Amino acid sequence: AQTVTQSQPEMSVQEAETVTLSCTYDTSESDYYLFWYKQPPSRQMILVIRQEAYKQQNATENRFSVNFQKAAKSFSLKISDSQLGDAAMYFCAYRSAHLTSKSTFGDGTTLTVKP
Amino acid sequence: ETGVTQSPTHLIKTRGQQVTLRCSSQSGHNTVSWYQQALGQGPQFIFQYYREEENGRGNFPPRFSGLQFPNYSSELNVNALELDDSALYLCASRAVEGGAGYTFGSGTRLTVV
Repeated sequence: AQTVTQSQPEMSVQEAETVTLSCTYDTSESDYYLFWYKQPPSRQMILVIRQEAYKQQNATENRFSVNFQKAAKSFSLKISDSQLGDAAMYFCAYRSAHLTSKSTFGDGTTLTVKP
Repeated sequence: ETGVTQSPTHLIKTRGQQVTLRCSSQSGHNTVSWYQQALGQGPQFIFQYYREEENGRGNFPPRFSGLQFPNYSSELNVNALELDDSALYLCASRAVEGGAGYTFGSGTRLTVV
């Protein structure tokens, strides 16, 4: 079974600085997707960024980028120029490339942004 | 796009009762998944429906059941409620095709007393 591990329960960053959230996963498959989701205190989970395992290029979405290391099964999220609105719980998730696969989530990292 | 809507927002039930949670998936999303999220933890997969049939289940007992309807709506039913069922229940939908992530609803906060 696939597992997702987020080893940092809590992280904090100064506004306008950069922070990196860590995620590792375990799988025997070669084709899959990885995601970072954000859950603000209002609780609706939203997709931040996704990575396809067959792509070597790291995904980027504005201030959010990932460092995908397939061999190491590592998938970290970098948030640049942190803003107060980035404060939330961040979840890393894995999904097999099979069409109807479910997603497996880590336990999350709570990010605090200090003004 | 209409997004994913869940009802009710909050619910308080007594141990032993039954509850039905509802979800309206985003138009065009043919897969819906339900997750249970305890406070401070990641979502745990309950089950998934595709084309109105269950096609995946997590480590939850049979008293957790569901339905998916042709109009993109779905239900999560829980019988014989236990105190440990208190959690946030999330509905998430996506199109099967492609590698898109989920669109989540805001969740239903269930408290069992």
